[in-house]
This record gives sequence, C-alpha cells and structure tokens, in this order.
Amino acid sequence: AQSVSQHNHHVILSEAASLELGCNYSYGGTVNLFWYVQYPGQHLQLLLKYFSGDPLVKGIKGFEAEFIKSKFSFNLRKPSVQWSDTAEYFCAVNLYGQNFVFGPGTRLSVLP
Amino acid sequence: NAGVTQTPKFQVLKTGQSMTLQCAQDMNHNSMYWYRQDPGMGLRLIYYSASEGTTDKGEVPNGYNVSRLNKREFSLRLESAAPSQTSVYFCASSVGRMAFFGQGTRLTVV
Repeated sequence: AQSVSQHNHHVILSEAASLELGCNYSYGGTVNLFWYVQYPGQHLQLLLKYFSGDPLVKGIKGFEAEFIKSKFSFNLRKPSVQWSDTAEYFCAVNLYGQNFVFGPGTRLSVLP
Repeated sequence: NAGVTQTPKFQVLKTGQSMTLQCAQDMNHNSMYWYRQDPGMGLRLIYYSASEGTTDKGEVPNGYNVSRLNKREFSLRLESAAPSQTSVYFCASSVGRMAFFGQGTRLTVV
C-alpha cells in the first residue's frame, strides 16, 4: 500500500529563516504529488502540485517543491518564512483515478 | 462557487448516539471521499465513492457507514458514536488528479 512520510512532526523557526519540510512516499509508479496547508481552524488549501515536467514546482505564497524521483521525495521549501506561515503542512500522493494518501503532517510555528 | 459543502460544522454527541454528516459538491465530480483528521496522523480515509452507486472502504471504516445518495451527495453515518470517533471530518471530491475539500466538521463524542 502507498504510504507517505513527513520527516518532522513540529518545526519552529524565526521569521526570515529558510524552510524545508521533507516528504517521502513509498509508491514506485507514476504518482501525482501535492502539498496542502491548513491554517489554524481552517480547511485544507492546495499550496502546489506536481504532475509531470519540470521537477521544481512553484506554488502560492512563495513556496516551492522539488520532486526527486530517485529518492521518492517531494520536499517543500520557502526561502524566508513569515509569521503568517504558521500552519500545518501535509504532503499527499495520488495515483491517477485513485484516492489520495496523506502524510501525518508537519506543524510549523514561526516566531515573530 | 460553493464547491464542497459540509454540515454541520460542529457537533457534540453522547456515547451511543447516532448522527449523519452531510456532504454535497456542485462541481459534477464522480469521486467523493470522507477523511478523518487526528493530531499527528494526518488525514486517514474512511470511505470513498468512485461514482454514484458505489462505495468502498478506506483505511479506517469501522464504526461508519456511507451513502452515495446521488452524484452530488455523500453522507457519513455514525450509528453508535464512541469517544474514539472524536475527530475532525473532511469530505472531498475529485476529478482526475485534483481534490477539493470541504470546511470540515468538528465532532466531539463525550
């Protein structure tokens, strides 16, 4: 069965620090990859997605992610975080036409 | 654009009570899902429906039943609520590779 792992349960950063959140998945075939963000008390919002093509994808709010097929990884990055980035971040995998499998989430706290 | 609408947003139940969580989407999607979200565990799939008239168990189906009433609606029923079912429930629908989520239902079972 597919599984998705995220390296960190809770990350604490100061404003302007750089961010990298790790995500690895277990499926060996063609996958579609997503990062979702959930701000406190809100529902999931799509940050970015990768289907094919350029492995470096850019999303909203200055986030980007790099797909490395050989490492089964899809890490999320942001050069300079803001207090408003405090949220929980979920990596997800989808096989076309099948359901979405989510990682356990990484809680990001940004200190002002 | 309503997207995916869940009702209610909040609910408190006593152990043993039953209730139905409602979900409707207006995007004409074939696939719909129910997830539960618990701290440190991400979203886990309870049931999904690939099309009207079909439903399949996900990772954590025990204690739940679902109905795909029509293409728009996919309801989740708790027949006899237990404290272990305290969670935030998300409904989603998808077309191809994109999923869209509802606002969630925060359920507390006391």
